[in-house]
Amino acid sequence: DIQMTQSPSTLSASVGDRVTITCRASQSISRWLAWYQQKPGKAPKLLIYKASSLESGVPSRFSGSGSGTEFTLTISSLQPDDFATYYCQQYNSYWTFGQGTKVEIK
Amino acid sequence: EVQLVESGGGLGQPGGSLRLSCAASGFTFSSHSMSWVRQAPGKGLEWVSYISSSSSTIYYADSVKGRFTISRDNARNSLFLQMNSLRAEDTAVYYCARDLYYYDGSDYRSYYYMDVWGRGTTVTVSS
Repeated sequence: DIQMTQSPSTLSASVGDRVTITCRASQSISRWLAWYQQKPGKAPKLLIYKASSLESGVPSRFSGSGSGTEFTLTISSLQPDDFATYYCQQYNSYWTFGQGTKVEIK
Repeated sequence: EVQLVESGGGLGQPGGSLRLSCAASGFTFSSHSMSWVRQAPGKGLEWVSYISSSSSTIYYADSVKGRFTISRDNARNSLFLQMNSLRAEDTAVYYCARDLYYYDGSDYRSYYYMDVWGRGTTVTVSS
């Protein structure tokens, strides 16, 4: 089974900050990685697929990069609507999620 | 508008059964594979099960294999999850999700990710 590890688990930031979340896979998953945003009591929302492809309608301040086992999600300028929990997910072999990164107000 | 609406959650007894449904609208349901994902209270996301568009391919997470059964009715635009032999650790919000795929010609494989999710239905297993 492929394990996904995100860091950090919690991130405190201010509006306007540049934020980076890291996701590591236990074995190579090529570029078969997605990022989701989830707010309390809501369903996850797809942000990024195939490591760096931006889902339609998602603001361009979100970007993804990486391949193999190391991936990052970057928010270039944090907005009030971005305070949420973010999950990476591999879909190279079945589906596995990272444990999540909560982005909270500093 | 693409929409997924789950139902059927509630209180289940340990060892008992529940059947979840997911009603799809706004897209051609029969053209998409579908998945169930769950989230235990205060925890992260866990993939549960996958079914291809024609029901020919089905996968389960090890945690539910032999107890849960996924199925679909393309004529009724509906996805189902039959949950038997319920355990306390099955307590979670259950989401249905539509899958999109990318075909990689270099290895002749399709790779599926979840693009639209329902709002979820809550399952609580307790005596």
